[in-house]
Amino acid sequence: NAGVTQTPKFQVLKTGQSMTLQCAQDMNHEYMSWYRQDPGMGLRLIHYSVGAGITDQGEVPNGYNVSRSTTEDFPLRLLSAAPSQTSVYFCASSYSGAEANIQYFGAGTRLSVL
Amino acid sequence: AQSVTQPDIHITVSEGASLELRCNYSYGATPYLFWYVQSPGQGLQLLLKYFSGDTLVQGIKGFEAEFKRSQSSFNLRKPSVHWSDAAEYFCAVSGGSNYKLTFGKGTLLTVNP
Repeated sequence: NAGVTQTPKFQVLKTGQSMTLQCAQDMNHEYMSWYRQDPGMGLRLIHYSVGAGITDQGEVPNGYNVSRSTTEDFPLRLLSAAPSQTSVYFCASSYSGAEANIQYFGAGTRLSVL
Repeated sequence: AQSVTQPDIHITVSEGASLELRCNYSYGATPYLFWYVQSPGQGLQLLLKYFSGDTLVQGIKGFEAEFKRSQSSFNLRKPSVHWSDAAEYFCAVSGGSNYKLTFGKGTLLTVNP
């Protein structure tokens, strides 16, 4: 049982490049979400999904796209990377219902955009 | 909108001393409250949660927190800190059915030997 797995762990991009951050969970969780963590800012919600085929925006969605074709996977896409997207990205998942509020986090992806 | 304030950016304590990390929240209804801990370079680990019932909740690693509705607070405590407790601590709030966690900006804990 691996929990929440994020790949890659580290990535360096040039401005304007695109990439996809991968997130997979093997706990059959319905709810998945993406956060970014910046120094002194805590974690901020980018996008979330309450089930396959359903996604919605969080607090800071601009510049990011998501899709949820399966229960297990929730990739985060940067279509044209900008230096402001330099951050540590965390994926989280949880069960539905009240337990959905107990979110389990991956180890993170550290992204630098030059 | 829900929000969380952690007034202390950085706290330093001696090993063996007691610890209290402060958290104040804003939410219109009964909140779901959480404390997470993050060691350097790691993800977030859930320490404890409050959904309802007893306002004093116990968590892992000897931590506890008390929900005080009148003060909109959910402070984290530990009677005796260990060097391994050095980490960043985040308080978070959600509204139950909306599943969205709102985090405070974190408190960095340093433990002196």
